Amino acid sequence: GDSVTQMEGPVTLSEEAFLTINCTYTATGYPSLFWYVQYPGEGLQLLLKATKADDKGSNKGFEATYRKETTSFHLEKGSVQVSDSAVYFCALTSGSRLTFGEGTQLTVNP
Amino acid sequence: SAVISQKPSRDICQRGTSLTIQCQVDSQVTMMFWYRQQPGQSLTLIATANQGSEATYESGFVIDKFPISRPNLTFSTLTVSNMSPEDSSIYLCSVQWGPDTQYFGPGTRLTVL
Repeated sequence: GDSVTQMEGPVTLSEEAFLTINCTYTATGYPSLFWYVQYPGEGLQLLLKATKADDKGSNKGFEATYRKETTSFHLEKGSVQVSDSAVYFCALTSGSRLTFGEGTQLTVNP
Repeated sequence: SAVISQKPSRDICQRGTSLTIQCQVDSQVTMMFWYRQQPGQSLTLIATANQGSEATYESGFVIDKFPISRPNLTFSTLTVSNMSPEDSSIYLCSVQWGPDTQYFGPGTRLTVL
């Protein structure tokens, strides 16, 4: 079945540091890929998505590129802020079913 | 995108009681979903709720414990029945938007004593 694997967390960075959160997937067919973010005490927000190979999703300074050859969708941001502290979930859809990774807790210190 | 609200936002309940969670969306949608997020964990799909049909439950979840209603295209409820402390979780609804995207509500934080 489909699965998503995220890098082990938590991740702690200083403000303005470069962020990478690794995500790899296993799926049949051609899934769409997503990053969701969950700020403390809130629900999930869609951060970005990519629907086919080599697509780049971007939002709020975050980027991720759909790499079919490496089955990866790594999340990057060039300069993180304290307000980016949250849990980040990588996910894929096959049909209407959404499969999540385990989530990565990011803490950004001033 | 869709705007989704949930009620209540949080609750503290006694074991053996039941809680009904409401999910309201600002547009008509065909598919709605209910998830559980246990403390520090990822999301687990409980069931899919389509208007006009019975909800489809995932393995490990049963209708007697988690009855779902879907009376129209903008509303659904999830009831957590005969609660125990193990039911303490965040419960989230989501809606299918377009061919492949789900948008989520803010969640209901449930604590069972």
